[in-house]
Amino acid sequence: QKEVEQNSGPLSVPEGAIASLNCTYSDRGSQSFFWYRQYSGKSPELIMFIYSNGDKEDGRFTAQLNKASQYVSLLIRDSQPSDSATYLCAVGPSGGYNKLIFGAGTRLAVHP
Amino acid sequence: EADIYQTPRYLVIGTGKKITLECSQTMGHDKMYWYQQDPGMELHLIHYSYGVNSTEKGDLSSESTVSRIRTEHFPLTLESARPSHTSQYLCASSDRQQSYGYTFGSGTRLTVV
Repeated sequence: QKEVEQNSGPLSVPEGAIASLNCTYSDRGSQSFFWYRQYSGKSPELIMFIYSNGDKEDGRFTAQLNKASQYVSLLIRDSQPSDSATYLCAVGPSGGYNKLIFGAGTRLAVHP
Repeated sequence: EADIYQTPRYLVIGTGKKITLECSQTMGHDKMYWYQQDPGMELHLIHYSYGVNSTEKGDLSSESTVSRIRTEHFPLTLESARPSHTSQYLCASSDRQQSYGYTFGSGTRLTVV
């Protein structure tokens, strides 16, 4: 079992729909959670981070964290073709100072 | 503006050549990382550093070496490039607590012919 798991996709959604991306992690003591967006041929860019259980909203993006179930999700409302990219989930393991563990990413395709 | 810089952006080089990929950050971050990523594939950590004169190998075995003589500078060197080294190399940095995750540079796309 990988430490951070994501469905590789592609997740295909129509323009204007809600895209839901999920990530599960194995270290129950994990403390920090990050979502990165990576366009093809580009480097990852941070779009959201969350530390506490519940929802965190930033514009069209909402990160949801459930530590009891060990999953974190990213919702993208009103999806646009420009949201088409690979989304990487990264988890900060217990201890707080150790390296982030990255998932393999979910490819999102938003079609007009 | 605080940022992380990688040079060159693209590099095509012959087999057997020695190359150094540069990475510098102006954010005062203690921690720096090198990742290797093939197109459409996941990130693989090859080296990391938690401070000056501290370097460690990552999860993916690599023939490259790194140094950290100054906080802001973390170059990666390949003594003898081979076609199997063709890949994208991404440098990243973070503060000590990783409060805001990692900040990535623009990457170096290396092609060894």
